[in-house]
Amino acid sequence: AQSVTQLGSHVSVSEGALVLLRCNYSSSVPPYLFWYVQYPNQGLQLLLKYTTGATLVKGINGFEAEFKKSETSFHLTKPSAHMSDAAEYFCAVSPLGDMRFGAGTRLTVKP
Amino acid sequence: DGGITQSPKYLFRKEGQNVTLSCEQNLNHDAMYWYRQDPGQGLRLIYYSQIVNDFQKGDIAEGYSVSREKKESFPLTVTSAQKNPTAFYLCASSIPQTGGLYGYTFGSGTRLTVV
Repeated sequence: AQSVTQLGSHVSVSEGALVLLRCNYSSSVPPYLFWYVQYPNQGLQLLLKYTTGATLVKGINGFEAEFKKSETSFHLTKPSAHMSDAAEYFCAVSPLGDMRFGAGTRLTVKP
Repeated sequence: DGGITQSPKYLFRKEGQNVTLSCEQNLNHDAMYWYRQDPGQGLRLIYYSQIVNDFQKGDIAEGYSVSREKKESFPLTVTSAQKNPTAFYLCASSIPQTGGLYGYTFGSGTRLTVV
């Protein structure tokens, strides 16, 4: 069975601080991994994805994530938080096209 | 531009009523999905369809029904049997033949409230 666990339902950072959102996955086959962002009352927007190749992937809005097979992790980072980053973030795994989502992490950015 | 259109954005339902949420895509995707989102519970799969005229139950199908008569359309009916329908509903689509390579494309959602 495939699943993802997002550590921390709420994360709060100050503007300009490092953003780190944690995601661990479980998959019986090599996974495809995704991060999505959701702003209030909107759908999910793809931030970035890992399929094969380079383990450090860059996405939109300055976010990046690193696939670590040994740790079964795919943590999302951004060096400097901006007020506009406040949103809910979802990690997802899709080993064979059947995508499974984590419970989400709400990011708050303090001025 | 290609995308997924969900309508209406806000919907109010009286007790005992059936309501239908619309989802239309012009991405030429074969697969379509319905998710329910409640605060703190992430996304839960209601129904999905990999091809026209075929669909499968997801994790929380009770009280819901769907149809897939056209590739572009995947309407969701919330029936009176669904006891707690107040939630945010998201429709998504994908290219299943790629094994998930491109991820899902989501609509902007419908917020359903029971009054």
